[in-house]
This record gives sequence, C-alpha cells and structure tokens, in this order.
Amino acid sequence: QVQLVQSGPEVKKPGASVKVSCKASGYTFTSHSISWVRQAPGQGLEWMGWISAYNGNTNYAQKLQGRVTMTADTSTNTAYMELRSLRSDDTAMYYCARTGTTTYFDYWGQGTLVTVSS
Amino acid sequence: SYDLTQPLSVSVALGQTARITCGGNNIGSYNVHWYQQKPGQAPVLVIYRDVKRPSGIPERFSGSNSGNTATLTISRAQAGDEAVYYCQVWDSSTVAFGGGTKLTVL
Repeated sequence: QVQLVQSGPEVKKPGASVKVSCKASGYTFTSHSISWVRQAPGQGLEWMGWISAYNGNTNYAQKLQGRVTMTADTSTNTAYMELRSLRSDDTAMYYCARTGTTTYFDYWGQGTLVTVSS
Repeated sequence: SYDLTQPLSVSVALGQTARITCGGNNIGSYNVHWYQQKPGQAPVLVIYRDVKRPSGIPERFSGSNSGNTATLTISRAQAGDEAVYYCQVWDSSTVAFGGGTKLTVL
C-alpha cells in the first residue's frame, strides 16, 4: 500500500530554516511527482509547489519563490522541502502528497507541524 | 491566480443529500478534485477529475462540473461525513484550493 511518512515536528526561531522529509513506499517513486501543501492553524490548504521524482524538475508557488527548495532522493525514495527565512506566519502543518497526472493529490503524508516562535 | 469560491458551511439532515458547490470562472473547462478533511487528520481525496471516485470512497460521493460551478454531492449523509471539504484545480502552472466548506450532519 502507498505510504508517505513525514519527519517529526519542528520548532524554529524567526529567520531560521527548516527541512521536512517525506519517505515514500508502496509504489515506484519516480513515477509520480510529490507536492507540498501547508495549512496554517484553523485555515485552509495552501499549495507550496511540487517536484518531479523522475527528473527533479520543480514548480514553486510564486508566493514562496526564493525561500523554498524541494528535492528528491531516488536512492531512498525520500522527498524534502526546505523553507528558509522563517516567519511567524509560516507556522503551519506541512503535508507532502503524491501527485497524479492531472494534478490531484491521491495520497498524503501524516503532516509535520512547524512552529516558528521566538 | 484562479479564485475558487465555496460556502463556509453546509448543513444536512442525517440520511439526506448534501451538495457543496465550488464556483470559478468557467470552472467547467477544468478538472476539479475534492478532498475531505476531518479534524486532526490529513486531507483525503474523495473525487478526482470532476466525477471519478478513488477506490475505497463510497458511491454516496459523486461530483459534477459545468459552467461556473462544480458540485460535490453526498447522498444519504452519515455522521461520519462531517468534515471540511475542499475543491481544487490546476491553472496556469499553479494549484488553487477553495476556502473549504464545513459540512454539518444534523
């Protein structure tokens, strides 16, 4: 069965960076893209971008351009999302999700809570 | 960016039919996907490409999309269907989510 298992919660100070991992299993890793979606407390879903696990191509949300980097390690079937220059409004649950061909998200990780606080 | 408009809340009596709308300019020309999110859980895909159900999703969940409105229909609503529902599309190399609709089963 398809599983996406994310790394544990993080607490960071403003200005720091965070790197969240997402380990995939149960399917051919390189056959799908991995997207990242975040959700601030009590708010809706916000798409951050995606990475092709096949060739490493990325597509980031314009709002996060310059602060986010997504990578994929095909040797360990793990995707990563790094967010830099953290601010308090980056406090959110961060999800990875397997991405289908017409850009729907068919399997999700359990989420990683990132808290940014001084 | 492409704007998707959902009602904040919808209520339905137990066993009746709930309809959750997602409005967008000419949304009928897009593939619309729907997610269910229960408190403290990750979202779950319930409808993709307007009308398709992933395996494991009950037939009570159905979708339609035409003109400026896509609709998620939940027949014979159950208490377990209480959740927030989000619509989503892909537009111009970016992904848009609706704001979410809280479904209450009375």
